[in-house]
Amino acid sequence: GQNIDQPTEMTATEGAIVQINCTYQTSGFNGLFWYQQHAGEAPTFLSYNVLDGLEEKGRFSSFLSRSKGYSYLLLKELQMKDSASYLCAVRKGGANNLFFGTGTRLTVIP
Amino acid sequence: DVKVTQSSRYLVKRTGEKVFLECVQDMDHENMFWYRQDPGLGLRLIYFSYDVKMKEKGDIPEGYSVSREKKERFSLILESASTNQTSMYLCASKGTGTPYEQYFGPGTRLTVT
Repeated sequence: GQNIDQPTEMTATEGAIVQINCTYQTSGFNGLFWYQQHAGEAPTFLSYNVLDGLEEKGRFSSFLSRSKGYSYLLLKELQMKDSASYLCAVRKGGANNLFFGTGTRLTVIP
Repeated sequence: DVKVTQSSRYLVKRTGEKVFLECVQDMDHENMFWYRQDPGLGLRLIYFSYDVKMKEKGDIPEGYSVSREKKERFSLILESASTNQTSMYLCASKGTGTPYEQYFGPGTRLTVT
């Protein structure tokens, strides 16, 4: 299998910034995804990184360092609705399937 | 928008029953996937299909089979349900090439008693 590690839980304050880290060890790496999943709902796509660097999309940004096997998701100006699980997933080679980490449950408090 | 639907949100079955979970997507995607999601274990791939009548085993295929007779529909079959198959089952679909993201259905929470 693939080694994909994320913190299990995080708590942050409304209006603050939070960084959720993901490390991976895999051969044939060909991209990293972040998904958001609210309790009882389907995961929804947030971002995709295949090259090193930062991709910004509104309040959310995702960073990748392939040499370090490391990614993070940065959430700015946190809102209560950002309370959810955030899933990191790795794509290998030309594969159609993804390998998911166990997810990080983020709780935003007032 | 891509829409992936699953036949049931909640399902309760007895041990030994044959269970069918259905998934339908409306975007003409070639690839479809079945995952199960358990606390502390994340999403694990059971089976996927890259074309009609084609399938490949994922990480945990034991106790499951699949069927893809039409492009838009992918079925997961539990031949003889067991209590350790109590889980959330998520279906996803994806086209070929970019974009590479998978689109998920709302999930079926299956309880086997």
